Amino acid sequence: NAGVMQNPRHLVRRRGQEARLRCSPMKGHSHVYWYRQLPEEGLKFMVYLQKENIIDESGMPKERFSAEFPKEGPSILRIQQVVRGDSAAYFCASSPLPGGEAFFGQGTRLTVV
Amino acid sequence: TQLLEQSPQFLSIQEGENLTVYCNSSSVFSSLQWYRQEPGEGPVLLVTVVTGGEVKKLKRLTFQFGDARKDSSLHITAAQPGDTGLYLCAGELGGATNKLIFGTGTLLAVQP
Repeated sequence: NAGVMQNPRHLVRRRGQEARLRCSPMKGHSHVYWYRQLPEEGLKFMVYLQKENIIDESGMPKERFSAEFPKEGPSILRIQQVVRGDSAAYFCASSPLPGGEAFFGQGTRLTVV
Repeated sequence: TQLLEQSPQFLSIQEGENLTVYCNSSSVFSSLQWYRQEPGEGPVLLVTVVTGGEVKKLKRLTFQFGDARKDSSLHITAAQPGDTGLYLCAGELGGATNKLIFGTGTLLAVQP
């Protein structure tokens, strides 16, 4: 039973480029959460999605960030026109039920140069 | 803004010692989860506590949820070097949100 799969594990982007982070939830899980972990800071909630729906995006920056979880395929966190401050570890978690135990992926470490 | 404060922030102890990590908030949570995170990896779920006053044991780890569901503690007995890592508590607010509010973390180092 594969866990939450995130790719890529490491991503380097130049300022102004786009970053696309992918998350495949555990089998049978239809609830996906994205969190960001900045250096020296804790994990911060970004967005909560169910299949084809954004349920809570209260943690998403107002501009440049978007997320989707299509009917088929992985969830995508997209960051347009990246800036140095976007450098962080981005974690995806999935659960089988709303509010159920969340299982995390290994994260994508984004570095903006 | 809901906030979960963990203490201590850093803890360095010798193998065989006992320790307790605290997680406190002014908010009431429907459940609270404890995770351990190693460098370069994602958080790994250790336990979920749901009921006020609940105590759960996982080998040498004992987790307690406060009666008012605002705080929690993690006690490790006879710590081992393999226990080294970042310990995170995370509270779930419930309702339609279901998001986790993470604590500030406790970095534990167990020296052999």
